[in-house]
Amino acid sequence: DQQVKQNSPSLSVQEGRISILNCDYTNSMFDYFLWYKKYPAEGPTFLISISSIKDKNEDGRFTVFLNKSAKHLSLHIVPSQPGDSAVYFCAASAYSGGGADGLTFGKGTHLIIQP
Amino acid sequence: NAGVTQTPKFQVLKTGQSMTLQCAQDMNHNSMYWYRQDPGMGLRLIYYSASEGTTDKGEVPNGYNVSRLNKREFSLRLESAAPSQTSVYFCASSEDRAKNIQYFGAGTRLSVL
Repeated sequence: DQQVKQNSPSLSVQEGRISILNCDYTNSMFDYFLWYKKYPAEGPTFLISISSIKDKNEDGRFTVFLNKSAKHLSLHIVPSQPGDSAVYFCAASAYSGGGADGLTFGKGTHLIIQP
Repeated sequence: NAGVTQTPKFQVLKTGQSMTLQCAQDMNHNSMYWYRQDPGMGLRLIYYSASEGTTDKGEVPNGYNVSRLNKREFSLRLESAAPSQTSVYFCASSEDRAKNIQYFGAGTRLSVL
């Protein structure tokens, strides 16, 4: 059973427009959510995160929105640039007091920015 | 500023051979992790080490062993490699397990024939 789901394997967006990547989760214990960006033959790179006590976090062109009641988060990239073309992973973490056991990842969304 | 360094970058093994994947971080992080990524899949946790001297199983630990050699180094060992272990392996480290922002190495691409 997938606890973190990214239902769009790929997304194509024109340069300069907004890219919206979606993620759903099922585990109510998740309290911290992260987005990673990955280029081919490289490791994932941390992009932005959000705690479950917030509903929005912004960093430059990147904004993450969290809707706890719907168990849904989204990543907005505005404006989209050619260098944003990559695979984006949604990940979640559950802190149990003793510490988090690791991240649970979605399968990723391949974002393609068209010129 | 190397971050997380993994060696080797590529490896081909025959079924039944053993090998150790090495990982070192220079960020003075307490926690370290091993993941595998298969085609079309997200990363799955194999083992992790919350701090020096401790290790715990993740989602897919079967067929693997780990050693937290010191605060910097966390190795992953395949005692008898199987074709099902063909994958890309990523090591990661984090400073704060509450926030759990993990920083990843470039990966080791392993093929088991």
